[in-house]
Amino acid sequence: AQKITQTQPGMFVQEKEAVTLDCTYDTSDPSYGLFWYKQPSSGEMIFLIYQGSYDQQNATEGRYSLNFQKARKSANLVISASQLGDSAMYFCAMREGLSTNAGKSTFGDGTTLTVKP
Amino acid sequence: ETGVTQTPRHLVMGMTNKKSLKCEQHLGHNAMYWYKQSAKKPLELMFVYNFKEQTENNSVPSRFSPECPNSSHLFLHLHTLQPEDSALYLCASSQALSSGRAKDEQFFGPGTRLTVL
Repeated sequence: AQKITQTQPGMFVQEKEAVTLDCTYDTSDPSYGLFWYKQPSSGEMIFLIYQGSYDQQNATEGRYSLNFQKARKSANLVISASQLGDSAMYFCAMREGLSTNAGKSTFGDGTTLTVKP
Repeated sequence: ETGVTQTPRHLVMGMTNKKSLKCEQHLGHNAMYWYKQSAKKPLELMFVYNFKEQTENNSVPSRFSPECPNSSHLFLHLHTLQPEDSALYLCASSQALSSGRAKDEQFFGPGTRLTVL
């Protein structure tokens, strides 16, 4: 069974500093995708970044990067130069590619990030 | 309209009412999803549709009835709900689900915040 674990219910970071949000996963499917979403207080889930299980390099999207350590089954999100607008809930998710659950995404419990001015 | 839209954004209903939530996607996707997000609980997948066919019913009570008339529209019909059904209901869409395809991220609507009195 697939599982996503986010061990940090809440995180604080000073504006302009970098922050790492942790995510570990569990799957026996060799083909899978890892996603990070941001959910502001408005409720909408916003896709941030994707990492495929076969990707050789860590994914980057602007100020977001994904620290993918396949052997440790971790996919931590790094936000550089934090901004006040980064304050939100962040969810890690996984989708398996080959199993009967192909296409279904499993989400972690989320981490609430607060950026301090 | 672009992306994924949901109506209404807020809904208050009594336990004996019948109401429907509507979701529409303008992204040309063929998979659509309903999620429930309760306070202090992880995001729960409710239903998945792929090319208008329901592929997942995650043990959802029958008082929730989904309908997918075409790949662009998804409804959630509600009847005789309970107060514990109060939550944020999120709709999402993605490229069609298929084995071996784990890359496609989901695009979410803004959600309907439902309160059952």
